[in-house]
Amino acid sequence: GEDVEQSLFLSVREGDSSVINCTYTDSSSTYLYWYKQEPGAGLQLLTYIFSNMDMKQDQRLTVLLNKKDKHLSLRIADTQTGDSAIYFCAESSPVNYGGSQGNLIFGKGTKLSVKP
Amino acid sequence: ETGVTQSPTHLIKTRGQQVTLRCSSQSGHNTVSWYQQALGQGPQFIFQYYREEENGRGNFPPRFSGLQFPNYSSELNVNALELDDSALYLCASSYPGRVSGANVLTFGAGSRLTVL
Repeated sequence: GEDVEQSLFLSVREGDSSVINCTYTDSSSTYLYWYKQEPGAGLQLLTYIFSNMDMKQDQRLTVLLNKKDKHLSLRIADTQTGDSAIYFCAESSPVNYGGSQGNLIFGKGTKLSVKP
Repeated sequence: ETGVTQSPTHLIKTRGQQVTLRCSSQSGHNTVSWYQQALGQGPQFIFQYYREEENGRGNFPPRFSGLQFPNYSSELNVNALELDDSALYLCASSYPGRVSGANVLTFGAGSRLTVL
């Protein structure tokens, strides 16, 4: 079945890099996403990657995908206290209305704590 | 451009009651998805509406039902509430034409339901 696994907690010091890891099981997934959830808020899309890519960089964020091992990671450079939040990894099949609705399968989230 | 708005933000019900949650999609988005997020868990897909029809459903019983209106807003109805229905209910809107294949969701802040 489909499953997404993440470690539950990560603690880093301000200015360090954070690396959040995720493994997934659905070999048909073609899109993988990283979402951020701050307390009392909904989910904010940070970035996503197509499965034919192995890396995507967006400012302080770097996503690495190892499709063979079904492993996804999110690296946050120069982590700030404002990055403290829960980070969710998610997978989906492509949207194909009338067929696949592309619903996201989420992990349980990794709580990132940034110490000053 | 307005985001996704949900109402109410918090509500308390008792077992056996019924609840209706509302969602206004982001301007320009024609698809609405609903997710349930239990405490300490990742969001789980309930169902999706596209062109006022259900376009996919997760592993939720029929007492979870929904509607989408011509203005793309949506309702989630839950009948015969159970204690395990206590959760944050997230609405997300999207427009599949914007980005081919990826399901880029814009989430609301959620409605927190407590069932006593």
